[in-house]
Amino acid sequence: SQQGEEDPQALSIQEGENATMNCSYKTSINNLQWYRQNSGRGLVHLILIRSNEREKHSGRLRVTLDTSKKSSSLLITASRAADTASYFCATDLNQAGTALIFGKGTTLSVSS
Amino acid sequence: SAVISQKPSRDICQRGTSLTIQCQVDSQVTMMFWYRQQPGQSLTLIATANQGSEATYESGFVIDKFPISRPNLTFSTLTVSNLSPEDSSIYLCSGGDSNYGYTFGSGTRLTVV
Repeated sequence: SQQGEEDPQALSIQEGENATMNCSYKTSINNLQWYRQNSGRGLVHLILIRSNEREKHSGRLRVTLDTSKKSSSLLITASRAADTASYFCATDLNQAGTALIFGKGTTLSVSS
Repeated sequence: SAVISQKPSRDICQRGTSLTIQCQVDSQVTMMFWYRQQPGQSLTLIATANQGSEATYESGFVIDKFPISRPNLTFSTLTVSNLSPEDSSIYLCSGGDSNYGYTFGSGTRLTVV
């Protein structure tokens, strides 16, 4: 069953602009992860934020986590055409050995 | 992080036949999983591949239709049996450790005709 819900479902921006995607989830988590998928290919792991962390950075990516609201956001700064892809949040529940549960994803289109 | 080689990358199969997908990990991983991604949709977990024992299937997925093997900590296969057009999807394997993030194979795009 789906755990996360991304918002918006689709986002179109110009190169150089920032893109913000949000993810909400339902149950308590061990960590939350963001992945990118280019055009139906394999997923690329972007960033993992643990339940006791509030913010994490990796290059042009910034992820926040608010466990009280059960929500996370992914910010991509100074976007590029190569950032065009689908972005998924995935939650890892508080149980050892459980699989990730994926949200529905946000499709980002960056035009030059 | 681990690197996963998945094959085939795509296949076109006849109804009623089966397709076996293989995933090879370049290092031992505790957990391996199989997902299905229908066109334009998110990933749905099919099963957890358990090393040396039967896979653990999610609701809606059964062993007769999706038999899985995992003979060791670096290899797993998923077979999609008795194919129908509804099985046309991308199938992905995943492996790793939940504390560090999971790696995914590049996916197998299956078309059933």
